[in-house]
Amino acid sequence: GAGVSQSPSNKVTEKGKDVELRCDPISGHTALYWYRQSLGQGLEFLIYFQGNSAPDKSGLPSDRFSAERTGGSVSTLTIQRTQQEDSAVYLCASSLVAGVGELFFGEGSRLTVL
Amino acid sequence: ELKVEQNPLFLSMQEGKNYTIYCNYSTTSDRLYWYRQDPGKSLESLFVLLSNGAVKQEGRLMASLDTKARLSTLHITAAVHDLSATYFCAADSNYQLIWGAGTKLIIKP
Repeated sequence: GAGVSQSPSNKVTEKGKDVELRCDPISGHTALYWYRQSLGQGLEFLIYFQGNSAPDKSGLPSDRFSAERTGGSVSTLTIQRTQQEDSAVYLCASSLVAGVGELFFGEGSRLTVL
Repeated sequence: ELKVEQNPLFLSMQEGKNYTIYCNYSTTSDRLYWYRQDPGKSLESLFVLLSNGAVKQEGRLMASLDTKARLSTLHITAAVHDLSATYFCAADSNYQLIWGAGTKLIIKP
C-alpha cells in the first residue's frame, strides 16, 4: 500500500476484554515494529518483526501482550484481559529491512480501557 | 545499553528566533534520526544522518551529527508557527531505534 495502515483508529473497551490491533505495512517492507505512546510521552518499544520472525520481544510489558505476523505482511497485536494502564496510542512502523533506513509510521490505534 | 537524551524537553519561543535542540546518545550508533509529531498525529521522518559530520537541511530546519561527541543537533532558523510540534531523535541499536523523550516546541506568533 501507499503507507502503513492501522486499524482500528480508535478502540474503547472495558477492563478485562481482549483487543486486537492490526497493522498493514508498506508493501515490500520486511521489518515491522510496534510501539506504545502514552499521552504526552515518548515511544516505548514493544516488538519488532523481520519477516515473520520476532527476534526481539523484550519490550512486551507482560504476558497479556502478544503479536504475530503472517505472510511477511500484516501484523496483529493482541492484548488480553486489558487493564486501564494499557490505555495508549499503539503505533506501527515498517522499514525495508530491520536496522537499515528510516521507519515509516502508521497513524496509530488509540486504545482506551474503561 | 544505548540511551538517548534530548534537551530541552519543552521549548516556547517567538517567531523569527533561532534555537537548537540537542540529542545525546550514550554508545556508538550507526545512524541518527529526527522525526516530527504533530498533536494527535503520527510521526513523520525529517532527517537520517549516517556519518560523522553529516549535515542535512530542509527549509528552516538543519540537522547535524557529531559521532565523536555522540551528539546530534536540530537547528531551527527564523522559527515560524507551523514548526510547532514535538521533535524526536532516535539512534540505531541492534535493529531497533532507541528514542529520545521528545522536545515539545511551541512557536508563538
